[in-house]
Amino acid sequence: AQSVTQLGSHVSVSEGALVLLRCNYSSSVPPYLFWYVQYPNQGLQLLLKYTTGATLVKGINGFEAEFKKSETSFHLTKPSAHMSDAAEYFCAVSEAGRRALTFGSGTRLQVQP
Amino acid sequence: GAGVSQSPSNKVTEKGKDVELRCDPISGHTALYWYRQRLGQGLEFLIYFQGNSAPDKSGLPSDRFSAERTGESVSTLTIQRTQQEDSAVYLCASRGGTELYEQYFGPGTRLTVT
Repeated sequence: AQSVTQLGSHVSVSEGALVLLRCNYSSSVPPYLFWYVQYPNQGLQLLLKYTTGATLVKGINGFEAEFKKSETSFHLTKPSAHMSDAAEYFCAVSEAGRRALTFGSGTRLQVQP
Repeated sequence: GAGVSQSPSNKVTEKGKDVELRCDPISGHTALYWYRQRLGQGLEFLIYFQGNSAPDKSGLPSDRFSAERTGESVSTLTIQRTQQEDSAVYLCASRGGTELYEQYFGPGTRLTVT
């Protein structure tokens, strides 16, 4: 069975500050990992994904995440927050052979001016 | 359109009524998923269609929930005898045959059971 834990349901940062959203997963097989963003009243949009290869993956809007197998983590970062980054962020995992995604409970990011 | 569309965007129904939610996937996408998002929670997988294979219904919470898909096009999620705990946003996603894992999500249907 697979599961995802996102630490912190709400994160608040100042504009220009580092964004760090935490995600830990459990999976019995090598995982495929995703971060999605959900803006108010919109559907989910893929930010980035890790399937195989380089463990540091870069996504849209300046976000990146690093797959750390030893820590079973896939934390999302952005060096400098922008007001437009305010949204809800979901980490998700998919195991090979099972195409559905298992999502974390989400982290709402607030960006203060 | 270019993306996944869902209708209606909002649905208010009385407890005990049946509802149908519709999803139009991206043209050519062979896989289609339904998820449920309760307030303040992550997405729960409900059901998955892949081409002509038997659907994976392992996420359906009760026999009041069912879904159909016509070929590789429209899907309908039906909830019979709705209960207040069915209130949630129901999201549909589709995936293309050449992309193993990237799913494209629709805007969702917000269901409120009164």
